[in-house]
Amino acid sequence: AQTVTQSQPEMSVQEAETVTLSCTYDTSESDYYLFWYKQPPSRQMILVIRQEAYKQQNATENRFSVNFQKAAKSFSLKISDSQLGDAAMYFCAYRSAYFGNEKLTFGTGTRLTIIP
Amino acid sequence: EAQVTQNPRYLITVTGKKLTVTCSQNMNHEYMSWYRQDPGLGLRQIYYSMNVEVTDKGDVPEGYKVSRKEKRNFPLILESPSPNQTSLYFCASSLGQVGRAEAFFGQGTRLTVV
Repeated sequence: AQTVTQSQPEMSVQEAETVTLSCTYDTSESDYYLFWYKQPPSRQMILVIRQEAYKQQNATENRFSVNFQKAAKSFSLKISDSQLGDAAMYFCAYRSAYFGNEKLTFGTGTRLTIIP
Repeated sequence: EAQVTQNPRYLITVTGKKLTVTCSQNMNHEYMSWYRQDPGLGLRQIYYSMNVEVTDKGDVPEGYKVSRKEKRNFPLILESPSPNQTSLYFCASSLGQVGRAEAFFGQGTRLTVV
């Protein structure tokens, strides 16, 4: 079974600074997807960024980028130029790439606070 | 607009009183699932469905039932709720194809069982 670990329950960053959230995972599969989801106080689950395991290039979405280290099974999220609207709970998640197995395995989350 | 709709968003009930949380998606997705979110535990899968009339247990299925009679709907049934089922519940759907990985989530249902 796959597991996802987020070792930072809480983090804080000054507005406009950069912060990195950590995520490690364990799997025996070779093909999979990794995601970062954002959950603001509204509780909505918002997809921030995704990474396909077969791609060596790290995914980027505007101010959000990942550092994907497949051999180390590490998938960290970097938020640049932090904004007040980035304050939320962030979840790292894993999904197999094999047909029929679309279960998401989530980490326990990191609560990010933005300091004005 | 592509969306997953859950109802109700908030629910307070008493122990043992049967309840249903509805979930509907308008994207013709094959795969649907239910998750519960608890502090310090993240989201855990309760049940999932790969298509109409095809359902299976996730990681925490005890005390829950589901059905998939239509492709768009996937209700979660608690026949005899207990206080340990107090949680935040999410319905999610996805296309069910390799390479189309994104899951869409409903707005969440905050359930309190007293």
